[in-house]
Amino acid sequence: LAKTTQPISMDSYEGQEVNITCSHNNIATNDYITWYQQFPSQGPRFIIQGYKTKVTNEVASLFIPADRKSSTLSLPRVSLSDTAVYYCLVGTYSGAGSYQLTFGKGTKLSVIP
Amino acid sequence: DTEVTQTPKHLVMGMTNKKSLKCEQHMGHRAMYWYKQKAKKPPELMFVYSYEKLSINESVPSRFSPECPNSSLLNLHLHALQPEDSALYLCASSLGPLGTGSGGGYTFGSGTRLTVV
Repeated sequence: LAKTTQPISMDSYEGQEVNITCSHNNIATNDYITWYQQFPSQGPRFIIQGYKTKVTNEVASLFIPADRKSSTLSLPRVSLSDTAVYYCLVGTYSGAGSYQLTFGKGTKLSVIP
Repeated sequence: DTEVTQTPKHLVMGMTNKKSLKCEQHMGHRAMYWYKQKAKKPPELMFVYSYEKLSINESVPSRFSPECPNSSLLNLHLHALQPEDSALYLCASSLGPLGTGSGGGYTFGSGTRLTVV
């Protein structure tokens, strides 16, 4: 069953690019990788999802190497409003109709003026 | 409509009370979820409904009882809770049960902040 590991915290200055890496060594063939952002007392918000190589949308990029054992969320030119907890999620089919949908511990990103 | 709506936003209940949390979505999603989140911790999966059938129950105590009346609604019935059950309860939905596919992940509600006294 896939389990994710992320850095507990990261600091960055405004305007810099931030890369947060998630390890998922036991990712299964059909698993997707999804990243979420969460502000205090709010529900997580979908950022980006990918299966392999690179995915880009209007807010972020997701890089997934060929072995898919890790993924890197890239946030370009962060601002103070990007201060939040970022979660990497790998959905894993556990068999017999059971799915493991487990959040990792998340990375608290603090953006400094 | 691209939202998941949860009511109430805040709830204070005694240990002998019975209350219900409600969740609604009109995005045509066929999987709905309840998560529990304690302060400074990641969300923990409680229940998954897929096509209105309970497909995952993560060993949640029976004082929490989920219900999915139709594909747009999800309830969580609460009875005889303990103070340690105080948490943010999050509802989410997705196109399919793994939150993958063209729908792209889960959509979460803003949660119900539950305090058990």
